[in-house]
Amino acid sequence: IAGITQAPTSQILAAGRRMTLRCTQDMRHNAMYWYRQDLGLGLRLIHYSNTAGTTGKGEVPDGYSVSRANTDDFPLTLASAVPSQTSVYFCASSSGGTSSNEQFFGPGTRLTVL
Amino acid sequence: GQNIDQPTEMTATEGAIVQINCTYQTSGFNGLFWYQQHAGEAPTFLSYNVLDGLEEKGRFSSFLSRSKGYSYLLLKELQMKDSASYLCAVTDSNYQLIWGAGTKLIIKP
Repeated sequence: IAGITQAPTSQILAAGRRMTLRCTQDMRHNAMYWYRQDLGLGLRLIHYSNTAGTTGKGEVPDGYSVSRANTDDFPLTLASAVPSQTSVYFCASSSGGTSSNEQFFGPGTRLTVL
Repeated sequence: GQNIDQPTEMTATEGAIVQINCTYQTSGFNGLFWYQQHAGEAPTFLSYNVLDGLEEKGRFSSFLSRSKGYSYLLLKELQMKDSASYLCAVTDSNYQLIWGAGTKLIIKP
């Protein structure tokens, strides 16, 4: 693989169910991010990780958790999904370190919570 | 609060020039990015400005005025494939990206 992959591509989920969105990058980037994108709103940061073993909360962290056990993987978990979590979720990575480092995005996961 | 404003939608003609504006109010400034996002796809990097002035990259140019909290993306010789959303994002004092809602650009033949 080259770049960032996300799985699944799309998912329909019943409210109250637990769901983990997977994200893997092979660029050896230090920093990784999870965003959600909703119609009419900008990308909103859910959680981020500046390096393996560390994580931080973004703008909209409630209802989501992440882990960063290694450099490549950054899964996002919804412990008990609610309809307001219906969105398109993008994982991104950057080499980090300076503000000029562009972020590379995965293809996204379209999640519908019913 | 932090805010980034862009027009919601713009329409332009194939072969013409279009300018997409972005104004921002953020806690600190460590650079401004422009990304392109085709419908149903992921955002992809277009340009980065941290100093005042114009950065040119082929048909695309990006301008920054830090004193005015203002940037624009200029697209020349428009092609149908340029139909997409254009996202403005600012790196704040915590080095987090703050994103605008994006400008949907429609290109007509």
